[in-house]
Amino acid sequence: DQQVKQNSPSLSVQEGRISILNCDYTNSMFDYFLWYKKYPAEGPTFLISISSIKDKNEDGRFTVFLNKSAKHLSLHIVPSQPGDSAVYFCAARPSSGYSTLTFGKGTMLLVSP
Amino acid sequence: EPEVTQTPSHQVTQMGQEVILRCVPISNHLYFYWYRQILGQKVEFLVSFYNNEISEKSEIFDDQFSVERPDGSNFTLKIRSTKLEDSAMYFCASRLGLAGADEQFFGPGTRLTVL
Repeated sequence: DQQVKQNSPSLSVQEGRISILNCDYTNSMFDYFLWYKKYPAEGPTFLISISSIKDKNEDGRFTVFLNKSAKHLSLHIVPSQPGDSAVYFCAARPSSGYSTLTFGKGTMLLVSP
Repeated sequence: EPEVTQTPSHQVTQMGQEVILRCVPISNHLYFYWYRQILGQKVEFLVSFYNNEISEKSEIFDDQFSVERPDGSNFTLKIRSTKLEDSAMYFCASRLGLAGADEQFFGPGTRLTVL
């Protein structure tokens, strides 16, 4: 039961261009969405989040967009840098309970110089 | 910057053996979690822990698994009798509170290999 889906297992982008990573969800109880970045041999690192009451949140080069009616969110990285190369996980949680995260399968981003 | 630490980084064990994975959460955090990631699959929730008791657990977290916070700093995951399918990366996470902006901080993981 994939409640959080990342349909692109990988994405290749040139340095300086925009990276767009997509995520879809099915559970209407989710109201907080997060992006984590993971390098090999490390744990996931929090990147940016968005509450369901917003449709956009921006932090430096990273912007997350939420389309609640479509149950879709995306992470934009502008401009992309080689150091951004990592696996990006979309995660979601409900407001109730103990904030358990449900993760997507991840998208491996490769930014080439 | 405070961080979540986990030991060991890699644990190899024989099927049927008990293993204990250790985590030291960030010191003022109140909520603790274990997740696992089987190779090539997504990160999956195992269990959450608050106020010295399990608050939520997934279907994966069966009777072979247990957690405890024995001394107020360590947070451990025990697998009583390991199976081949328990081979995975195990991530510990902690969170300050349940406010919307409080995200979970993850440790670097323990790679468990069951032979």
